[in-house]
Amino acid sequence: DTGVSQNPRHKITKRGQNVTFRCDPISEHNRLYWYRQTLGQGPEFLTYFQNEAQLEKSRLLSDRFSAERPKGSFSTLEIQRTEQGDSAMYLCASSPTTQGGYTFGSGTRLTVV
Amino acid sequence: GESVGLHLPTLSVQEGDNSIINCAYSNSASDYFIWYKQESGKGPQFIIDIRSNMDKRQGQRVTVLLNKTVKHLSLQIAATQPGDSAVYFCAENPYGGATNKLIFGTGTLLAVQP
Repeated sequence: DTGVSQNPRHKITKRGQNVTFRCDPISEHNRLYWYRQTLGQGPEFLTYFQNEAQLEKSRLLSDRFSAERPKGSFSTLEIQRTEQGDSAMYLCASSPTTQGGYTFGSGTRLTVV
Repeated sequence: GESVGLHLPTLSVQEGDNSIINCAYSNSASDYFIWYKQESGKGPQFIIDIRSNMDKRQGQRVTVLLNKTVKHLSLQIAATQPGDSAVYFCAENPYGGATNKLIFGTGTLLAVQP
């Protein structure tokens, strides 16, 4: 296992288009998290899953955003009708069920033009 | 509202010196804290953590100090190396193990001069 994997690394899209990102967590980790990070800021929580259940969503996650983890393994984050304000680094992380530090992936950098 | 950290400051140190990066947190309910290192173009990398029942924890070349009285966290890096150059974030969990959701500060840029 090489850690948390995110694809693609970079995505440039036109405003109004839909985009989907994928995250493959560490296999034995039950929890999976999505965070968003803008330049010069710390990551901001978007949502998290325990196994396949989405247990919490941030107010930052508008109706245009949806995340899934259908089989409790990989997860996808979809943004519909992208806006320039969606441009950011989208980070995925995973952790064991108990409280502890996450392992982050390298992120997907989204640029909306 | 809840907040962790400061506006992004920059700490410049000479190679071989010790570095101290500071962080203030505002939520007295936080019981778990983590320091992350983020290099350009990469995701945050776990450095060290500390629970609220401790005031000091040491790792390899790093020490985290927690002062709950003034809600202050610091990361000490001994014998700073060029490879330590990165943005460092503190993060807190005021929600307990039920969610393990973290609140991050804005980070400190550590620049190591050779």
